[in-house]
Amino acid sequence: NAGVTQTPKFQVLKTGQSMTLQCAQDMNHNSMYWYRQDPGMGLRLIYYSASEGTTDKGEVPNGYNVSRLNKREFSLRLESAAPSQTSVYFCASSGDSYEKLFFGSGTQLSVL
Amino acid sequence: DAKTTQPNSMESNEEEPVHLPCNHSTISGTDYIHWYRQLPSQGPEYVIHGLTSNVNNRMASLAIAEDRKSSTLILHRATLRDAAVYYCIEDSTGNQFYFGTGTSLTVIP
Repeated sequence: NAGVTQTPKFQVLKTGQSMTLQCAQDMNHNSMYWYRQDPGMGLRLIYYSASEGTTDKGEVPNGYNVSRLNKREFSLRLESAAPSQTSVYFCASSGDSYEKLFFGSGTQLSVL
Repeated sequence: DAKTTQPNSMESNEEEPVHLPCNHSTISGTDYIHWYRQLPSQGPEYVIHGLTSNVNNRMASLAIAEDRKSSTLILHRATLRDAAVYYCIEDSTGNQFYFGTGTSLTVIP
């Protein structure tokens, strides 16, 4: 019963490097989300996708791009990583608007 | 920015009920109230949600004030596994959940 799977679990980048965080869900959910959580803080919404082929900005989208590759997969790309992007990144999915979110286990990203 | 107000931390003795409060000073008539919790080193997990009426499920109960300006998450018998950060969230869009800093619950054996 996989649910929401995120890869990688840990990543260290140097300032200016790029990388893509991968997320996949096996629950046939329409909506998918990317959040970040800084130490001692709550989660902040980066981007979301209400359905395949659509994406929208959340609370803190600057410095990120997303791709909803298909219904299962929603990736988050950092084109030029900055130390301020050091955080734990969570992907989530839901069946539809107003339905409960299912979260992945997170990716811990450090940018040096 | 988070639209809800919660205490930063609370403590409870094991096997006693816990009442976690949340203030919703700016809530609108169409905003659902959601509660999630986050165990250490894990992603958040859904606890319960409601609109106007009190709600119960196997994990907890949600009591919503008549004016909807406050809600209370009730854990009927706290266990050590309930130690987590609890978030209350208002949502009217259905897809933009704003998490505040939540309440860190400590359960004392």
